[in-house]
Amino acid sequence: EIVLTQSPGTLSLSPGERATLSCRASQSVSSSYLAWYQQKPGQAPRLLIYGASSRATGIPDRFSGSGSGTDFTLTISRLEPEDFAVYYCQQYGSSPYVTFGQGTKLEIK
Amino acid sequence: QVQLVESGGGVVQPGRSLRLSCAASGFTFSSYGMHWVRQAPGKGLEWVAVISYDGSNKYYADSVKGRFTISRDNSKNTLYLQMNSLRAEDTAVYYCAKVTQITIFGVVITYDAFDIWGQGTMVTVSS
Repeated sequence: EIVLTQSPGTLSLSPGERATLSCRASQSVSSSYLAWYQQKPGQAPRLLIYGASSRATGIPDRFSGSGSGTDFTLTISRLEPEDFAVYYCQQYGSSPYVTFGQGTKLEIK
Repeated sequence: QVQLVESGGGVVQPGRSLRLSCAASGFTFSSYGMHWVRQAPGKGLEWVAVISYDGSNKYYADSVKGRFTISRDNSKNTLYLQMNSLRAEDTAVYYCAKVTQITIFGVVITYDAFDIWGQGTMVTVSS
């Protein structure tokens, strides 16, 4: 099983700042099959990025993903108030078995 | 619009059973693999099970293998999760989720990234 470790656990930033979230895999993720999700309290997760760097439909271009192998990054270029949430990475390279990271909470400083 | 709606959650005693349903609309349900994902209170996301578009292939997380059964009825556009021998650690919000498909130069590619989620249904296992 591929274990995903996200860092930091909590990130405190202000609107307008740049956010960089990390996701590290215990072994190489096949074909960069890595996704990122945003989850707000009381809501289902929302797909932001798939294939490590492809934005899902309707996702603003301030969200970008990068990385390959075992190290992946989600970057939010300029934080908007609605971006403060919990973010999860997910690997699907060992499809159909998928695993999630433990999450990074992005909070307002 | 594309939508998934779960139902069937509730409070159940340890050792008892429960069946969750997920009603799909707005897309061709029979063309997509479907997953169940759960989230314990205050915790992260945990993958539970997956079923192929035609129901011929099913896979489970080790934590539920032998106790949970995923199934689907494509004539009713509905996904199911039969949960037996429930334990306190099964307490969670259960989400159904649809896999992502994209078309590149006429070729359909499927990814087990989830572009549509239901709103979730809460299952509480407690005596």
